[in-house]
Amino acid sequence: EIVLTQSPGTLSLSPGERATLSCRASQSVSSSYLAWYQQKPGQAPRLLIYGASSRATGIPDTFSGSGSGTDFTLTISRLEPEDFAVYYCQQYGSSPPYTFGQGTKLEIK
Amino acid sequence: QVQLQESGPGLVKPSQTLSLTCTVSGGSINSGSYYWSWIRQPAGKGLEWIGRIYISGSTNYNPSLKSRVTISADTSKNQFSLKLSSVTAADTAVYYCARCIGGWYCYFDYWGQGTLVTVSS
Repeated sequence: EIVLTQSPGTLSLSPGERATLSCRASQSVSSSYLAWYQQKPGQAPRLLIYGASSRATGIPDTFSGSGSGTDFTLTISRLEPEDFAVYYCQQYGSSPPYTFGQGTKLEIK
Repeated sequence: QVQLQESGPGLVKPSQTLSLTCTVSGGSINSGSYYWSWIRQPAGKGLEWIGRIYISGSTNYNPSLKSRVTISADTSKNQFSLKLSSVTAADTAVYYCARCIGGWYCYFDYWGQGTLVTVSS
């Protein structure tokens, strides 16, 4: 089972700033099968990125994903107030069980 | 627009079986393009994948829960279901159903709103 470790646990930034979130895998994620989700309080997670760098439908281009192997990054180029949430990475490059990172909370500074 | 909706009891007694149903609208679970999954999230914690079903009836489960989990589908009702037996307080969580896209190696593009299940006597 691939373990995903996200850092930092909490990121405090101001609107307009750039956010960089990290997701590190315990072993290489095949074919860059890594997804990112955003979750706001009381809501289900929302798909942002799949295949490490492909934006899901309707996701603004301020969100971008990069990386391969064991190291992946989600970047939000310019934070909007609605971007403050918890972000999870998920790997799907190995046979189930699929695993998620523990999450990064992006909070307003 | 695909929509998923979980339903089932919000309170289950310890040692009993948790049963939830996910009703899919705006698309057919008969489509061969997707797996249909259950995921849970204890309060204030992260996400745990429980398992999935393909329209052929093939299932995959998280080894940590495999001995207690059964996922099934009813194509006539466009629903799939989760049963988790011998529950304890550790099974208290919000349970989500989700569509998994991408073939065998899939990610979750549509989610239900989630339903809170509390295990308590």
